[in-house]
Amino acid sequence: KQEVTQIPAALSVPEGENLVLNCSFTDSAIYNLQWFRQDPGKGLTSLLLIQSSQREQTSGRLNASLDKSSGRSTLYIAASQPGDSATYLCATTGNQFYFGTGTSLTVIP
Amino acid sequence: IAGITQAPTSQILAAGRRMTLRCTQDMRHNAMYWYRQDLGLGLRLIHYSNTAGTTGKGEVPDGYSVSRANTDDFPLTLASAVPSQTSVYFCASSDSSTSGMGEQFFGPGTRLTVL
Repeated sequence: KQEVTQIPAALSVPEGENLVLNCSFTDSAIYNLQWFRQDPGKGLTSLLLIQSSQREQTSGRLNASLDKSSGRSTLYIAASQPGDSATYLCATTGNQFYFGTGTSLTVIP
Repeated sequence: IAGITQAPTSQILAAGRRMTLRCTQDMRHNAMYWYRQDLGLGLRLIHYSNTAGTTGKGEVPDGYSVSRANTDDFPLTLASAVPSQTSVYFCASSDSSTSGMGEQFFGPGTRLTVL
């Protein structure tokens, strides 16, 4: 069974900082890796999808990388803003879908 | 309708009662999924459907059933609710008929409490 781990569980940074969120997984036989954001009491919003043949994806201030061989993905957020405060989840897709438990990010104005 | 809708938004249910959570998508996605989200455990897949007329079991299917009579709807039924089924339930869809290939989109969730 795939195990997906996100470290740290919580992170607090001042506004304007660049930051990296980590996601590791045990089984490299994945199709895709997807990053989501979840605001309190809300559903998940897709941020980036990296297909297994890709190494990274970018959207605005977000950049996600994927290294299947080492079982790792990172989400880089540039110039963080208070509106970025949320929980960030990664998920691997293969025969089934497995989610990490998320990193709760607080950006302090 | 835009995206995925779920109903009800929240529900309090007595143990032993039957309950159906509704999910409808308007994106014509082939695949649909049901997850439950519990504190400390993250999201876990309950059931999925790769295309209308087919369903499959996820990581935690016991106590739940699904049907997929058409592309748009994917209801989740609890035949006899138990307190351990208290959770937030999310429906999702993706634009691929092969499980795991497409980007997933999520509904707003249903908060279910079983007493």
